[in-house]
Amino acid sequence: QQPVQSPQAVILREGEDAVINCSSSKALYSVHWYRQKHGEAPVFLMILLKGGEQKGHDKISASFNEKKQQSSLYLTASQLSYSGTYFCGTDSGGYQKVTFGTGTKLQVIP
Amino acid sequence: GAVVSQHPSWVICKSGTSVKIECRSLDFQATTMFWYRQFPKQSLMLMATSNEGSKATYEQGVEKDKFLINHASLTLSTLTVTSAHPEDSSFYICSAGLNYGYTFGSGTRLTVV
Repeated sequence: QQPVQSPQAVILREGEDAVINCSSSKALYSVHWYRQKHGEAPVFLMILLKGGEQKGHDKISASFNEKKQQSSLYLTASQLSYSGTYFCGTDSGGYQKVTFGTGTKLQVIP
Repeated sequence: GAVVSQHPSWVICKSGTSVKIECRSLDFQATTMFWYRQFPKQSLMLMATSNEGSKATYEQGVEKDKFLINHASLTLSTLTVTSAHPEDSSFYICSAGLNYGYTFGSGTRLTVV
C-alpha cells in the first residue's frame, strides 16, 4: 500500500518553515525523500534507516520514527528553489524496492 | 558521480507500434534497476524490477508481455512498450539503487497517438 503524505499541498512565503509527513501501514526498513520539479525526474534528498535516526543538510532535515512507521521532512527558511512536489519513498524489506508516497506539492512564493 | 542516462527524453508514436526506452548507468554498475510510471499529477508507481542476467520481476497488475524488460549488462536496462495504446501515454522513469540512496534517469515522456 502506498504511504500517505500530509499535507497534500502547501503554499509558503520565502523564509517560512514547513513540515511534510509520511505515514506507512507497513513496518519500514528505510525512508527516502525526493523532490520533483514539474516535468523532471525526482531528485534524491536523503535516506533514513530504521533506528529512529534524524538527518539533515543545510535547511532541510528529516526524522524517522520506525515504531510509528512515520517520517517527517522539515524545511526551514524556505527558498523559492524549494518549490516542487515532495515524495517520501519507503522500503519495507531492505531490498531497495521503493514505494512512493502520495506526494506533497509545495509552492514557495516571494 | 552515479549518473543514470535515460533515452529518449520524449517520444511520440502511433497506436499499435512499439517503443524502446534505454537506461544506462554511466559510472557505476547496476545489477538492479527499477522502472516506474507516472501519470500527470500522480505519484510514481513501480512497474518492475530489472535484474541483470535474469528475468524481471513485475508488480501486480503490470502486463509483462506488454512491458518487456531486458537487463543484458551491468550498465544497461531497456523497457519496450509493445503495441502501445493511448492509455500507455505516461512519464516512464528508471532508477538504480546506491549505497546511500537512489538515482534516477531523466525520464521519458511517451505520447501514443
